[in-house]
Amino acid sequence: TQLLEQSPQFLSIQEGENLTVYCNSSSVFSSLQWYRQEPGEGPVLLVTVVTGGEVKKLKRLTFQFGDARKDSSLHITAAQPGDTGLYLCAGAGTGGFKTIFGAGTRLFVKA
Amino acid sequence: NAGVTQTPKFQVLKTGQSMTLQCAQDMNHNSMYWYRQDPGMGLRLIYYSASEGTTDKGEVPNGYNVSRLNKREFSLRLESAAPSQTSVYFCASSDLQGTGLYFGPGTRLTVT
Repeated sequence: TQLLEQSPQFLSIQEGENLTVYCNSSSVFSSLQWYRQEPGEGPVLLVTVVTGGEVKKLKRLTFQFGDARKDSSLHITAAQPGDTGLYLCAGAGTGGFKTIFGAGTRLFVKA
Repeated sequence: NAGVTQTPKFQVLKTGQSMTLQCAQDMNHNSMYWYRQDPGMGLRLIYYSASEGTTDKGEVPNGYNVSRLNKREFSLRLESAAPSQTSVYFCASSDLQGTGLYFGPGTRLTVT
């Protein structure tokens, strides 16, 4: 059974600080995705990474896919209160239909 | 474009009652999915439909049935609701395999 472990589970920081969220597995994925979810809403896709070692940037967010395609990280620079939310990583195996999700990292950024 | 829409938004059922959750997408995506989200357990795949006319079990299919009515619509049915099915249910769609999912707003279901 494929599992994705996210750490930390909860993070409370001050505005302007940097942070990194990790997503780890013992399984290899064909792609890995990051989502952000706000209370009462569905997850929103932020990025998909498909190549081992790939780095993608989305404004202050930097996403990296591990060389072996088993892990990923999300780094946020100079966090803002608007970054508050639940961050989910998800991995798609060969075939791509059975995407599995980590339990999430709940981020709270204080002004 | 509305994206992925779900009805109803909220539902309360008594144990043993049945209901159907509706989902539609207007992005012309081939694949559609049903997930449930429970505290501390993340999102778990119930069923998916890789393309119109096909459906397959996910991680937690017991107690559920699905119908891919056409390319746009994918419904989830609870034949005899149980308290363990209290959850938030999300429908999602995708175009190409592994490229990412587009989620609806969710249905919050309580079974008493």
